Amino acid sequence: AQSVTQLGSHVSVSEGALVLLRCNYSSSVPPYLFWYVQYPNQGLQLLLKYTTGATLVKGINGFEAEFKKSETSFHLTKPSAHMSDAAEYFCAVTPGRGGATNKLIFGTGTLLAVQP
Amino acid sequence: DAGITQSPRHKVTETGTPVTLRCHQTENHRYMYWYRQDPGHGLRLIHYSYGVKDTDKGEVSDGYSVSRSKTEDFLLTLESATSSQTSVYFCAISELGTDTQYFGPGTRLTVL
Repeated sequence: AQSVTQLGSHVSVSEGALVLLRCNYSSSVPPYLFWYVQYPNQGLQLLLKYTTGATLVKGINGFEAEFKKSETSFHLTKPSAHMSDAAEYFCAVTPGRGGATNKLIFGTGTLLAVQP
Repeated sequence: DAGITQSPRHKVTETGTPVTLRCHQTENHRYMYWYRQDPGHGLRLIHYSYGVKDTDKGEVSDGYSVSRSKTEDFLLTLESATSSQTSVYFCAISELGTDTQYFGPGTRLTVL
């Protein structure tokens, strides 16, 4: 069975500071990993994804994440936070090639606040 | 943005009444999904469809049924709504052979 753990349901950073949102996964097969962002009263938008290949993945709005198999982690980072980054962020996992790739398992989310 | 609409966007209903939520897509994607979002739980899969008239259960399917008579429409029905079904419901779509799901704007359902 697969699962996702997001450490820290609330994270607060100052504008211009590093953003680090943590995600650890459990999967019995090589996973595909995703980060989604949800702005208030909106649906989810894909930030970035890892399927195969390069383990450092760059996404939209300056975010990136690194797949670390040895640590079963896929943490999301951004060097310098902007006020517009305030949102809820969800990590998700699905079995990779050969598995049920269409079933997403989500973490419980991390609400990011950016202080001026 | 993927062409996904959900209706209604907001609904308040009473316990015991039937409720149907609609998801409509203009992308002709094969897969469609219904999730519910609750604080502390993230998003959980209710049902999904892998083609017209082809559906299967997700993680939290009890109390819900779905139907898909056309590629573009996926309906979620609560036969007899309960207060525990108060939630925000999201529809998503994806194409065969791809791994990315695209989400609709959501429906906020309150069951009194």
